[in-house]
Amino acid sequence: RKEVEQDPGPFNVPEGATVAFNCTYSNSASQSFFWYRQDCRKEPKLLMSVYSSGNEDGRFTAQLNRASQYISLLIRDSKLSDSATYLCVVLNYGGSQGNLIFGKGTKLSVKP
Amino acid sequence: ETGVTQTPRHLVMGMTNKKSLKCEQHLGHNAMYWYKQSAKKPLELMFVYNFKEQTENNSVPSRFSPECPNSSHLFLHLHTLQPEDSALYLCASSQEMAGSTNEKLFFGSGTQLSVL
Repeated sequence: RKEVEQDPGPFNVPEGATVAFNCTYSNSASQSFFWYRQDCRKEPKLLMSVYSSGNEDGRFTAQLNRASQYISLLIRDSKLSDSATYLCVVLNYGGSQGNLIFGKGTKLSVKP
Repeated sequence: ETGVTQTPRHLVMGMTNKKSLKCEQHLGHNAMYWYKQSAKKPLELMFVYNFKEQTENNSVPSRFSPECPNSSHLFLHLHTLQPEDSALYLCASSQEMAGSTNEKLFFGSGTQLSVL
């Protein structure tokens, strides 16, 4: 099983749609979780951290289910500018330091 | 945005060439990283530096040689690369090393490397 697994997509949705991305991770001891966004030919940028209680930032909602080792990202009222690849990132500890493990990403394309 | 800057943006080199990638961060961070992003693969961590000291070498071939002269600058020296080394090389920095529970990475725009 891959350390961080995501549906690669692409997800093609119309403007205004609600879309959800899923991510599973293999290490039950993983400590922290993040969603990064990467535009085409650009660098990844942090979108939001994912907290155990779930968190919301405007149109974006992130959820964590530790029992199922599952993270989700929900985007409501999709905008054209949301088109990007969304990377699920997990922080694992090994020895005295942590390692950020990236998923391959899920590509989203929002159409007019 | 000038938080983390990388040069060059694009690089084409032959297998016998020697070149260097440069990264500079203006955020006052203590940790710097090199990542490799190949097509259809997740980002792979290559090297980590914390307060100029290398703390991670993720089994990277010796044809990649990092250098961190100070907390703000990071280099990746390249020599005798192979075509399969063609990828996007991303530099990143963080306030502390990725070991705290909520560490955020700030990436540079990357160097797109092609090895012929």
